[in-house]
Amino acid sequence: DTGVSQNPRHKITKRGQNVTFRCDPISEHNRLYWYRQTLGQGPEFLTYFQNEAQLEKSRLLSDRFSAERPKGSFSTLEIQRTEQGDSAMYLCASSRDAGVAEAFFGQGTRLTVV
Amino acid sequence: DAKTTQPTSMDCAEGRAANLPCNHSTISGNEYVYWYRQIHSQGPQYIIHGLKNNETNEMASLIITEDRKSSTLILPHATLRDTAVYYCIVSGANTGNQFYFGTGTSLTVIP
Repeated sequence: DTGVSQNPRHKITKRGQNVTFRCDPISEHNRLYWYRQTLGQGPEFLTYFQNEAQLEKSRLLSDRFSAERPKGSFSTLEIQRTEQGDSAMYLCASSRDAGVAEAFFGQGTRLTVV
Repeated sequence: DAKTTQPTSMDCAEGRAANLPCNHSTISGNEYVYWYRQIHSQGPQYIIHGLKNNETNEMASLIITEDRKSSTLILPHATLRDTAVYYCIVSGANTGNQFYFGTGTSLTVIP
């Protein structure tokens, strides 16, 4: 399978715990995006990387959230001190480094904070 | 923030063409129109994109008006598996191709 892969698919955690999600993009894609989606809403942009550089972060990405892409390949999204409001689907997408390029999404990680 | 307006929901009979409209009156000259769809509990799936010319691929056709202020996604022969939320997005290369999704159109294909 050469699509975008996200792990884990589901995560249940207690409030206050830290969680980390992983995204493996399509291998030749230089751009990697993180989105969050809550029930009944469209995905909301969080941040994106061009290779290993994090080029933009949404105001939705509070200081409890951190994303990395250390070698320009896979990426991790960590949420510290989780809150119930963090419960959502976290989506990763990747695209080629080109002027116009469609992004391909993974199946997401569904986080439930109890 | 999403720069598009779409109807909240639509129905379409199986086998008929589904025509999904989108308004993007503030689109910039270098922004493209993208369409994605999302089936329940799955990640969004790319359908098609275009700048100003009409586009067609194996999934759908995209018709963009001459002034580029609106577009229509056409699924020529809708099937039950086309039931999904369809998102119309405008995005440009100078903004990193970030996609600002709205709430989309929930399309239900009826047997």
